[in-house]
Amino acid sequence: AQKVTQAQTEISVVEKEDVTLDCVYETRDTTYYLFWYKQPPSGELVFLIRRNSFDEQNEISGRYSWNFQKSTSSFNFTITASQVVDSAVYFCALSEAQRGSYIPTFGRGTSLIVHP
Amino acid sequence: DVKVTQSSRYLVKRTGEKVFLECVQDMDHENMFWYRQDPGLGLRLIYFSYDVKMKEKGDIPEGYSVSREKKERFSLILESASTNQTSMYLCATALPTGGNQPQHFGDGTRLSIL
Repeated sequence: AQKVTQAQTEISVVEKEDVTLDCVYETRDTTYYLFWYKQPPSGELVFLIRRNSFDEQNEISGRYSWNFQKSTSSFNFTITASQVVDSAVYFCALSEAQRGSYIPTFGRGTSLIVHP
Repeated sequence: DVKVTQSSRYLVKRTGEKVFLECVQDMDHENMFWYRQDPGLGLRLIYFSYDVKMKEKGDIPEGYSVSREKKERFSLILESASTNQTSMYLCATALPTGGNQPQHFGDGTRLSIL
């Protein structure tokens, strides 16, 4: 079973639509960290946000917002009024203690295509 | 800003060759990682290192080895390249503080084994 599940392989929207990328995780640790990264066509993954397991407060940054719910083990990412520049592959990652250190586990990614 | 530099963006090698992928970082991060990225499979960890000369196997270490002789450089070695190692390879670095530090990635090396 995957520790980080991004069930949406690909999402296609038209510019200005809102879109939510789902991330469901699995862990037995009480202390863990969740991340979202963006990988544009150029290839480099760029860090977007981090959440720790003790902070369920949702966060908004411009057009981006994140909804962390421990009850459903989800950390979903919403882009409001999407733009063509949002087209990328988005990865959710879980960092939990394993092998004596925190090693991130990545989901398989969601490819977002925003059409003009 | 952290700069993570991978030696090649694109590389073409032949089956059986010994292949070296180099990664250099300029921010003194202790932790370094090698991933491979394949369509539909996301990022899979090959090896990581938390200090000079230290290495740990990731989820898919078979067919690979690594070297970390200096803190800033982490090399991935394909001992005898095979076609199933054709992939995108990503290097990443991070501070070691308890898992809450994000990773910083290089641009990736797209490796083709013919």
